[in-house]
Formats: sequence, C-alpha cells, structure tokens
Amino acid sequence: LAKTTQPISMDSYEGQEVNITCSHNNIATNDYITWYQQFPSQGPRFIIQGYKTKVTNEVASLFIPADRKSSTLSLPRVSLSDTAVYYCLVGGSSGGYNKLIFGAGTRLAVHP
Amino acid sequence: AAGVIQSPRHLIKEKRETATLKCYPIPRHDTVYWYQQGPGQDPQFLISFYEKMQSDKGSIPDRFSAQQFSDYHSELNMSSLELGDSALYFCASSGDGQETQYFGPGTRLLVL
Repeated sequence: LAKTTQPISMDSYEGQEVNITCSHNNIATNDYITWYQQFPSQGPRFIIQGYKTKVTNEVASLFIPADRKSSTLSLPRVSLSDTAVYYCLVGGSSGGYNKLIFGAGTRLAVHP
Repeated sequence: AAGVIQSPRHLIKEKRETATLKCYPIPRHDTVYWYQQGPGQDPQFLISFYEKMQSDKGSIPDRFSAQQFSDYHSELNMSSLELGDSALYFCASSGDGQETQYFGPGTRLLVL
C-alpha cells in the first residue's frame, strides 16, 4: 500500500478556502485516493474519493494531477465545524475489499 | 440513511477480563472491518471479514478474535484485557457494489 505524507497541522479562518495536499509518490496504477474527516471521539467520515483529474461533491473537491503522485483536498469556505483531522488514504482497487492504512492526518483548526 | 451501529458505546472492564464488541453493518454491506484507535493515535486496522470469512488481518493481538455472522453483523472478542487495550474501537462496513468504507460511532473501551 502506498505511503502518504501530509501536513501535520493547518490553521485557517472562517470563510476561507483550505487546500490540504497529500503526497503519495508510490501510488499504484489501480489505487484510488480517499479522504476522511475525523472529529474527536467519532468515527472517520468519508469525504471524497478519486482516481484522476478532479472530483467534486457537495462538501469538497479533490484535485489529482496527471502523474497522481499527489492530491489536494479543497474545502471551500470553511466554518468552525470543519475543525477536525483529515486523512488521505491511498489503496484499494475497484471491486476490491481492502483495509485502510491511516497515516498521520492533518489537524485543521478553523478560527473565528 | 442507515449507518453502521456499534454496541456498546462505552465499556469499562478490569484487567484480565473479557469484552465483546458488536458491529451491525449498513444494510446490504457484506464486508466488515475493525480498527483500533488509541489515545492521540491514528486508527489502526485489526481485521476484516467478507461474506463471513476472514479477508485480511492486521495488528490484532492473539488475545482478540472476531467473526462475522450469517446476518453480516460482526463481533470482536477480547480476552485477558490489558491496560493498553484502552482505546476507541471502530467498525466500518462496505459493499453494495462500492468499496468505500463507512465507519460506525465506535466503542470506547476503558480497562482499569
């Protein structure tokens, strides 16, 4: 499974756009990139998943360059409630059932 | 939408006792995963089941065992509990044509 590297922590203010970049230099051809959000003492919550280019849903966008060695999670107009740990995970393949290997996530703190 | 259900939500045990954690996956999900998250740590994969068969195994102590039943719910059995077993235990499920894992609220185990 590909190892990921992301910032340990980030600070932002309400209303700003936050971009969290994750490096995954050893990503395999059939690996997907998935981001989870976790609040204290709660289970990780699925945010978004992608394979290449750009994916957007109601809460975030995921940008993946052509070489797929990195990805950027974009949170538009964050609020205080977006303060959480964000995990970037790489692995799995369509139709597979694979464990998630959590690395050190990014602790995002949103300030008033 | 129905989510993953875990019970109990909180559990207090003494050293050397046993504990059983239960997980009820999202309807139509056939794969269950167990994760352990110690204080201040990232979630660590323990074990997974697909169609009632063990599909993968991670850093699960020999004192722990798990199984998945015919109704797809799963139980994590923990024996000879140690202080270091105090953690949040999350169950996740996937299936219904998708591999995205959805996490439950977790069981907080405290071993005294």
